[in-house]
Amino acid sequence: QVQLVQSGAEVKKPGSSVNVSCRASGGIFNNYAVSWVRQAPGQGLEWLGGIMPIFGTSKYAQKFQGRITITADGSTSTVYMELSSLRSEDTAVYYCARSDVAIPPNSPPSIQNWFDPWGQGTPVTVSS
Amino acid sequence: SSEVTQDAAVSVALGQTVRITCQGDSLRSYYASWYQKKPGQAPVLVIYRKNYRPSGIPDRFSGSSSGNTASLTITGAQAEDEADYYCNSRDSSGNHVIFGGGTKLTVL
Repeated sequence: QVQLVQSGAEVKKPGSSVNVSCRASGGIFNNYAVSWVRQAPGQGLEWLGGIMPIFGTSKYAQKFQGRITITADGSTSTVYMELSSLRSEDTAVYYCARSDVAIPPNSPPSIQNWFDPWGQGTPVTVSS
Repeated sequence: SSEVTQDAAVSVALGQTVRITCQGDSLRSYYASWYQKKPGQAPVLVIYRKNYRPSGIPDRFSGSSSGNTASLTITGAQAEDEADYYCNSRDSSGNHVIFGGGTKLTVL
């Protein structure tokens, strides 16, 4: 049974960057996609982006384009999410989650939207 | 891009049936998935690919879809079902994932 284990809580200054890791244990890593989802205080769930390690391809929500980078290290079954130019609105709990990869005919692969399992969450606080 | 929308709040009497809906044009092309979210806990997938339940999810949870609307039904709601419920889908391009704003379910 695969488990996703995330790195610990972070406190960052506005304008800085944060790097959160997500390590998969107990299951196949490369054949799936891993996405990052966050929940700000009192707000809903928001998809930031994801990566398909088997294809080396990342997809990002338009809102975070230019500020987010998601990478994967297959040798350690770990996915990393870096978010830069942090502002107070980025204060949230960040989750990683695994999903299948969609491979439609004649189209690029994409990330399926059923996420299971999830990591335990990493609180990120952005404050001066 | 596109969006999916949910009612902000729904209530149900203990043991009764409740339906939570999710609307959006992308649901005509892509399945909705549903998540249960309790404070301080990670989300839990309860329904995927319209009406599949992951292992361990009670069979009182079911899903359906028609046109641009997906629904999560809880038949015989229990006190422990009180939570926020989120739907998601892929957007109209198929390249991104979008979440609904969530529905707060109160079990009376």
